[in-house]
Amino acid sequence: EDQVTQSPEALRLQEGESSSLNCSYTVSGLRGLFWYRQDPGKGPEFLFTLYSAGEEKEKERLKATLTKKESFLHITAPKPEDSATYLCAVQAPVGSNYKLTFGKGTLLTVNP
Amino acid sequence: DGGITQSPKYLFRKEGQNVTLSCEQNLNHDAMYWYRQDPGQGLRLIYYSQIVNDFQKGDIAEGYSVSREKKESFPLTVTSAQKNPTAFYLCASALNGGPSGQPQHFGDGTRLSIL
Repeated sequence: EDQVTQSPEALRLQEGESSSLNCSYTVSGLRGLFWYRQDPGKGPEFLFTLYSAGEEKEKERLKATLTKKESFLHITAPKPEDSATYLCAVQAPVGSNYKLTFGKGTLLTVNP
Repeated sequence: DGGITQSPKYLFRKEGQNVTLSCEQNLNHDAMYWYRQDPGQGLRLIYYSQIVNDFQKGDIAEGYSVSREKKESFPLTVTSAQKNPTAFYLCASALNGGPSGQPQHFGDGTRLSIL
């Protein structure tokens, strides 16, 4: 069974204090790994797709990387507006279809 | 602007009542999905549809039903058979549901509670 584990469950940072979120996965036939940001009471907002080990994507203060077993979301010099829950999901084949399996998320709080 | 619209934002269900959650997209996406989100749990797939007039059960389909009569619309009915319906329901769509790794894009959800 496909599994996605995110750590830590919650992370509190001071503004400007860089850190990383982890997403480890066990899946057969990875088609893509996705990062989302979710604000309270809202739907997840798509951030990045990573397809193969060694790939990196960047957007403003966020940088996502991928290995064969895990992905990291690096946050450089975060601001309070980066506070949100960050979700990781992997897409893999299930029979003749393709399914997303989500982790439980990391709740990031950035204090001013 | 293209996007996914879910309505209503809040919904209350009485015992024994069926309720329907609306999901409309104007992204011209073929694939649509319904997820349930509970505190402390990852999103769980209820139903999905890769093409009009076809849909498949996800991991937790019991007590739910869907239809896909139009490409733009994928309504979810929470039936009285669903004994624990209180949750945040999210609709998503993707260009296609195939192996190309297309990202799913989400609406802003409907929060369903029991009266």
